[in-house]
Amino acid sequence: AQSVTQLDSHVSVSEGTPVLLRCNYSSSYSPSLFWYVQHPNKGLQLLLKYTSAATLVKGINGFEAEFKKSETSFHLTKPSAHMSDAAEYFCVVTRGMGYSTLTFGKGTMLLVSP
Amino acid sequence: GAGVSQTPSNKVTEKGKYVELRCDPISGHTALYWYRQSLGQGPEFLIYFQGTGAADDSGLPNDRFFAVRPEGSVSTLKIQRTERGDSAVYLCASSLSGNSYNEQFFGPGTRLTVL
Repeated sequence: AQSVTQLDSHVSVSEGTPVLLRCNYSSSYSPSLFWYVQHPNKGLQLLLKYTSAATLVKGINGFEAEFKKSETSFHLTKPSAHMSDAAEYFCVVTRGMGYSTLTFGKGTMLLVSP
Repeated sequence: GAGVSQTPSNKVTEKGKYVELRCDPISGHTALYWYRQSLGQGPEFLIYFQGTGAADDSGLPNDRFFAVRPEGSVSTLKIQRTERGDSAVYLCASSLSGNSYNEQFFGPGTRLTVL
């Protein structure tokens, strides 16, 4: 079964500094990978997705992620954090080849201080 | 246009009772998914519908859980003989089709509390 591991449960940054949220995946084939964001009392929103095209994926709100097969990683980055980025972020993989159902990581809470 | 809606937003029930949770997907979306998110965890897959049929129900934890989508749009998740461990946020998502490339759009969830 495919799985993802988010390496940090909480990440704290100051506004204007870079953001790095780490995710490693386990898959027996080339997976589809996603990052979703969940703001308090709001639904999950797709930030970006990797589906075997370009390894550097750009998403909404200035986020991007790089698929590195050799490291089995799919880390999420942003050059400069904004207060509105404070939320929980989930790294997600499809359950298996041909499946559209999703397997979520445990989440990383991003805290942004002024 | 309207997104995925779920009703009720909150449901409090007593142990042993029966509950129904409703999901209204985005119009025209043929694929519909139910997930469950326990406190401090990521969402976990429960069941996936393609049209009216359950294409994958391998995530349902036991036979107390059942879901239907009789006309290929609205879906209802039904839980019999609720237990305290069923307390969680139940999320519904829909996508244009069951292709893994299609984005899943999530509703705000129903928070179920079993006393």
